[in-house]
Amino acid sequence: DTEVTQTPKHLVMGMTNKKSLKCEQHMGHRAMYWYKQKAKKPPELMFVYSYEKLSINESVPSRFSPECPNSSLLNLHLHALQPEDSALYLCASSLLFGQGINQPQHFGDGTRLSIL
Amino acid sequence: AQTVTQSQPEMSVQEAETVTLSCTYDTSESDYYLFWYKQPPSRQMILVIRQEAYKQQNATENRFSVNFQKAAKSFSLKISDSQLGDAAMYFCAYRSAMTQGGSEKLVFGKGTKLTVNP
Repeated sequence: DTEVTQTPKHLVMGMTNKKSLKCEQHMGHRAMYWYKQKAKKPPELMFVYSYEKLSINESVPSRFSPECPNSSLLNLHLHALQPEDSALYLCASSLLFGQGINQPQHFGDGTRLSIL
Repeated sequence: AQTVTQSQPEMSVQEAETVTLSCTYDTSESDYYLFWYKQPPSRQMILVIRQEAYKQQNATENRFSVNFQKAAKSFSLKISDSQLGDAAMYFCAYRSAMTQGGSEKLVFGKGTKLTVNP
């Protein structure tokens, strides 16, 4: 069982819909991440939160809006998505951020998103 | 910028045999971390093994071991006594050990799809 929980596991939405992806961890990790993964490709980093503050935005379009309400929860709000945004969205967390300590990222199972 | 190259898009191995997946990387940094992640069809990225660049000793985790050659910038994964459950996509990843912002970025290779034949 994964220690990083993502909901929903599958999501189908129209281009005009607004939906949110949720990620939760209770390992005391203070860094949380969103990745986008297309089929047969490696994950691509989208956002990084450190101590509940956005620290990295990899030039992601504004139709993706991240939110970190507390140290255990990470959301990704979706609005006006395009068909090319269909992908697997992975959440990850790690214990420490930016301190040169080798704490690996732990990933959730992902949300499979399809845009109609 | 760092890059990670996995030159084998697909590999196959017989059950109980040994297979080696290759990974090379390019960096000008002297301190960094390397990882192998496994992604089965169930989608979750699972950490298989990790290596600190300052350590000369190769990391080992049960049936998984690495051959870390720092000078050659090579980080191969050896899977011994392969099992059907080892079938997955394997990603090699690099992370800087710098304490500046962005040090948590993982740079992934394109992956190697491993098939285990019974």
